[in-house]
Amino acid sequence: KQEVTQIPAALSVPEGENLVLNCSFTDSAIYNLQWFRQDPGKGLTSLLLIQSSQREQTSGRLNASLDKSSGRSTLYIAASQPGDSATYLCAVRPESNTGKLIFGQGTTLQVKP
Amino acid sequence: DTAVSQTPKYLVTQMGNDKSIKCEQNLGHDTMYWYKQDSKKFLKIMFSYNNKELIINETVPNRFSPKSPDKAHLNLHINSLELGDSAVYFCASSRRGVEKETQYFGPGTRLLVL
Repeated sequence: KQEVTQIPAALSVPEGENLVLNCSFTDSAIYNLQWFRQDPGKGLTSLLLIQSSQREQTSGRLNASLDKSSGRSTLYIAASQPGDSATYLCAVRPESNTGKLIFGQGTTLQVKP
Repeated sequence: DTAVSQTPKYLVTQMGNDKSIKCEQNLGHDTMYWYKQDSKKFLKIMFSYNNKELIINETVPNRFSPKSPDKAHLNLHINSLELGDSAVYFCASSRRGVEKETQYFGPGTRLLVL
């Protein structure tokens, strides 16, 4: 059974710091891994999607890596800003044809001005 | 312009009532999902429909009955609501068989059962 774990559960940093969020998964049979952002009271916004054959994806100040064999992914945020404050969710899509996503419990990030 | 929309946004009701949540997507996707996010923020898949056909039912109680009148709509009806049903329910959609595409999520429906 696939399980996704995110560490840490919460993180508070001063503005300008670079930071890393961690995600691990127990079954390497995945199609892709995605990082989402969730703002309080809002839905989920997709940030980066890494296919199983890829090692990393970049979008602006965000860089996500994937080590499928070891069951790990990291989300690197450079030069953090108060606007980055949100909950970051990692999700894997197992190798089945159902398309469902299995989520970690998220890391709640606070960037202080 | 909203890609995935849900109604209502908030729902407060008494235990034992029956309620429905509606979801619509205008992205032309053929697969739609319902997820439940509990008080600890843990998101878990409940149902998935592809072209109006049920393809995922993750051991959800029979009190929950999804209905898909067409590819663009997936509604969730809940009978005999219980306190433990209080959560945020998210609808999502995607194109089946396209592994490099993400799912698009609605804004969520916050259900509180008193």
